[in-house]
Amino acid sequence: AQSVTQLDSHVSVSEGTPVLLRCNYSSSYSPSLFWYVQHPNKGLQLLLKYTSAATLVKGINGFEAEFKKSETSFHLTKPSAHMSDAAEYFCVVRPNFGNEKLTFGTGTRLTIIP
Amino acid sequence: NAGVTQTPKFQVLKTGQSMTLQCAQDMNHNSMYWYRQDPGMGLRLIYYSASEGTTDKGEVPNGYNVSRLNKREFSLRLESAAPSQTSVYFCASRGTRLNFNQPQHFGDGTRLSIL
Repeated sequence: AQSVTQLDSHVSVSEGTPVLLRCNYSSSYSPSLFWYVQHPNKGLQLLLKYTSAATLVKGINGFEAEFKKSETSFHLTKPSAHMSDAAEYFCVVRPNFGNEKLTFGTGTRLTIIP
Repeated sequence: NAGVTQTPKFQVLKTGQSMTLQCAQDMNHNSMYWYRQDPGMGLRLIYYSASEGTTDKGEVPNGYNVSRLNKREFSLRLESAAPSQTSVYFCASRGTRLNFNQPQHFGDGTRLSIL
């Protein structure tokens, strides 16, 4: 079985300060992990993915995430927040053995304070 | 680039009415999915189709049916709508079932209200 826990339902940061969105996972197999972003009234857009090639993954818009197997974590970070980063972020896990089914976290809403 | 297109974008139904949500993708993807999104619950898989001609149940299939009409199109049908089906519905697609590293691509959603 697999599960995803996003530790914060809401994060607020000031523009120009670092962003940290936390995600812990559990999976019976070596998983693939993804971060998606959802802007209001839009679908989900892929930010980045971990597929066992490298533990530090760089994505779009300056975001990156580090896979830590010992901590079963895949936290999303960005050095300097922009107003356009305000959105909902989802951490997603999928087992590598072939299951079509993704497991989504419940989301973290990121607010940027001007 | 159209990607994944969902119609309609908004719909209001009365309890007991039926309707079909349409989804089409132009990326020649094999796999397609239907999710519902409810506040505080993330996305939950309703049904998916790993390839043309096949469909499988996801986490919350009750009250829904699907049809994989062809490789491009995957429709979701509510036969008798209930207020509990008020939600935002997302369709997604993915390239090939053999490469599990490929991400899913999402449409912009259908906002459905059942009165």
